[in-house]
Formats: sequence, C-alpha cells, structure tokens
Amino acid sequence: KNQVEQSPQSLIILEGKNCTLQCNYTVSPFSNLRWYKQDTGRGPVSLTIMTFSENTKSNGRYTATLDADTKQSSLHITASQLSDSASYICVPFFSGGYNKLIFGAGTRLAVHP
Amino acid sequence: DVKVTQSSRYLVKRTGEKVFLECVQDMDHENMFWYRQDPGLGLRLIYFSYDVKMKEKGDIPEGYSVSREKKERFSLILESASTNQTSMYLCASRPGRETQYFGPGTRLLVL
Repeated sequence: KNQVEQSPQSLIILEGKNCTLQCNYTVSPFSNLRWYKQDTGRGPVSLTIMTFSENTKSNGRYTATLDADTKQSSLHITASQLSDSASYICVPFFSGGYNKLIFGAGTRLAVHP
Repeated sequence: DVKVTQSSRYLVKRTGEKVFLECVQDMDHENMFWYRQDPGLGLRLIYFSYDVKMKEKGDIPEGYSVSREKKERFSLILESASTNQTSMYLCASRPGRETQYFGPGTRLLVL
C-alpha cells in the first residue's frame, strides 16, 4: 500500500534556529518527490521537486534531501523566520498511476520570536 | 504566474442543500483536481479531470460529482450536503505531469 509518514507531527522552534522535517514513504513505483508549504487557510505551494536520481536540492533557506534506496526524504530549514510558520507536506509521485500524488499529513511548524 | 481561483473562501450550508464549488485556472492546464483536507490527514483526491467533459474518480468520490464544460473551469458538486462533508476543499491544476498549482481553498461548514 502506498503510504507517506511525516515526523514530527508538529514542531515549535525559536526564530533563527534550524530544523529538519522527515518523510518516509512506501510509494512504488516512484518517480519524484515534492515538498509543499501550506500557510494556514491557504492552498499548498511547491517548494522543491526531486527526481529519484537527485540527493539534494536547495531553494533559498530550504534544503531537501532524498534517499530513494531507503525511501526517506528530509526538509532542512536554516535560520528560521516567523514567516516559515506553516505546514510542510511531503508528496511522492506514484508513477504507476497517471495522476497519483500521495500526500503526507504534514508537519505543522511554529516559529516563535 | 499560474493562478487558480476558487469561488468562495468560506461557505456555510445546511444538511441536504446542493452545494457548488467552482474552480478556475488561467494557464490552459489540461488536468484539474478536487481534494479535501481534514485535520491529521493528507489531502485526499475526490475527482480529477484530464480534459473537457472528462472526469475520473479519485479515492473518495462518494457524495460528490463534478463538471468540466470548459477547460479553465472545474466544478465540484455536493448533491445533498451532509455534516461529514464539512472540510477544506482544495482545487488544483497541472500541465501534464508537472508541478500542481493549488487554489486558496474553500472552507465548507455543513450544519
């Protein structure tokens, strides 16, 4: 069964600190993996997309890693800002189905001053 | 920039009412999707459409129907709203297999 597990469910950090969010998935066959950021009451917005051959990808203060062998991904946020407070959703693309994205439940991050 | 708009941000309806949620995208994308999002759960696919007048059931289609008469517009219909359909509804569009673009969401409360 295709599943995505994210940890932690929620996280509180102080402004300026770093944090790492984890994603384990069992999606197969696997094509690529996306991380989305979702502000409260808004739709998700894409942060990064990684194919199975990429190990690391950065987007400003966000760095995503992918280990396709162990089916794990992480999202590292450096020097956090208050605006980073949001839910972060891991989304592997299931290439066995035409339109199948498997959404994790997300990690809710709160950055406090 | 891709823009996906949804007709309402907040909606309150009564049990048994027929509810229409509209979604419009301005980038000529072939694929459009309707999801619902509930606390503690990932987004769940209700229906999707890969072309005008074409539709496919997602993971949780029961109690919903859709309409796509024009490429830019994808409507979600709750034929007879029930309290368990209280949720956040998200529309998305996508060209081919590229990144999906989401609308701002409609928070529906069914009383």
